[in-house]
Amino acid sequence: DAGITQSPRHKVTETGTPVTLRCHQTENHRYMYWYRQDPGHGLRLIHYSYGVKDTDKGEVSDGYSVSRSKTEDFLLTLESATSSQTSVYFCATSETGNNREAFFGQGTRLTVV
Amino acid sequence: DQQVKQNSPSLSVQEGRISILNCDYTNSMFDYFLWYKKYPAEGPTFLISISSIKDKNEDGRFTVFLNKSAKHLSLHIVPSQPGDSAVYFCAALTSGTYKYIFGTGTRLKVLA
Repeated sequence: DAGITQSPRHKVTETGTPVTLRCHQTENHRYMYWYRQDPGHGLRLIHYSYGVKDTDKGEVSDGYSVSRSKTEDFLLTLESATSSQTSVYFCATSETGNNREAFFGQGTRLTVV
Repeated sequence: DQQVKQNSPSLSVQEGRISILNCDYTNSMFDYFLWYKKYPAEGPTFLISISSIKDKNEDGRFTVFLNKSAKHLSLHIVPSQPGDSAVYFCAALTSGTYKYIFGTGTRLKVLA
């Protein structure tokens, strides 16, 4: 299994507060991703990174920012949390390879009240 | 716009029979397709993938079929087992960007 650690695993926060989720990998993979999973929507890409300091928007990037200052860490920040951002967030990593497999973390359940 | 679609939210199959999960896509730039399995409270795990230059890939009980002209892929599980009960996501990838786009998922229930 790829070494992907998400923290925290669970968080409850109030509307309007900033929140940062952390993804740490030990695989030295080039690509890192943040997804959110919601009923009826599957997994939707928020932001991804193709290298240190190189990031790009995904399908649902509004209200989110990311940073990648080191290969192993990818941070997702909700600038001002809203109830619509209540979700389960997954980090993933990948590297160029034969089967193009992406590896996922265990997820962070975020509740905005 | 949903570039990757799984039109069946759920599927029930008897143990030992074949499970067929379907996925459609709209973007002709996708050149790799993957299937993931997800149990509750866990992250998705990779099952099988297929390049757009192939039309079939097999790994044990799992076979993925790709029909490029129809922009359709399917995952066959034979024989189905109760432990296969999970949510299955298809994903599509453009190798130039390495952005994985996922479908909405199909919940498979294998009945013992």
